Amino acid sequence: GAVVSQHPSWVICKSGTSVKIECRSLDFQATTMFWYRQFPKQSLMLMATSNEGSKATYEQGVEKDKFLINHASLTLSTLTVTSAHPEDSSFYICSARDWGSNQPQHFGDGTRLSIL
Amino acid sequence: ILNVEQSPQSLHVQEGDSTNFTCSFPSSNFYALHWYRWETAKSPEALFVMTLNGDEKKKGRISATLNTKEGYSYLYIKGSQPEDSATYLCAFDRDDKIIFGKGTRLHILP
Repeated sequence: GAVVSQHPSWVICKSGTSVKIECRSLDFQATTMFWYRQFPKQSLMLMATSNEGSKATYEQGVEKDKFLINHASLTLSTLTVTSAHPEDSSFYICSARDWGSNQPQHFGDGTRLSIL
Repeated sequence: ILNVEQSPQSLHVQEGDSTNFTCSFPSSNFYALHWYRWETAKSPEALFVMTLNGDEKKKGRISATLNTKEGYSYLYIKGSQPEDSATYLCAFDRDDKIIFGKGTRLHILP
């Protein structure tokens, strides 16, 4: 089946650091990738949708300058949390969808981000 | 506001029993309805993509139905097994946006 690799799986860093998370589709071309954040005891919250070669579409309330998304190729999207602060600590998960109608999303394993 | 509601929030079922739970979603701008199974410490696994009103899909002991006119989908599990314990998420797909419900947490009791 389709595989999405997300890296790193766990990050602990100091406040003020920028952190980059990678999401790769390994065996299919992901025309659309999604970035989610999960708060404790809540469902996945969509942060942004990115289509290869174009700017990401951010959900209301998500700061574009804070969460930089790049989807430069059909197999790679990155999320950079800039100048991270403790309130950015969360579980971030990406998903990728192949071209074509009604394709399911395939999820990465997520990244646990802890900002000290 | 686009709301996707799942009920119940949590469910305890005796092993061997059958069960079902609900996902309700907006009935306008419907593109697809997705069901996912999410085990703790793993990434969500796609179960079904449902697109047409009246759709019924089946995968082993798990099946799902779809009513786009009234905005609901049911997920059924027949003869529950311990490995069915997980959170079941539905997601309303409007093509430009996907909204997840909060999930139904299923616990299978031995």
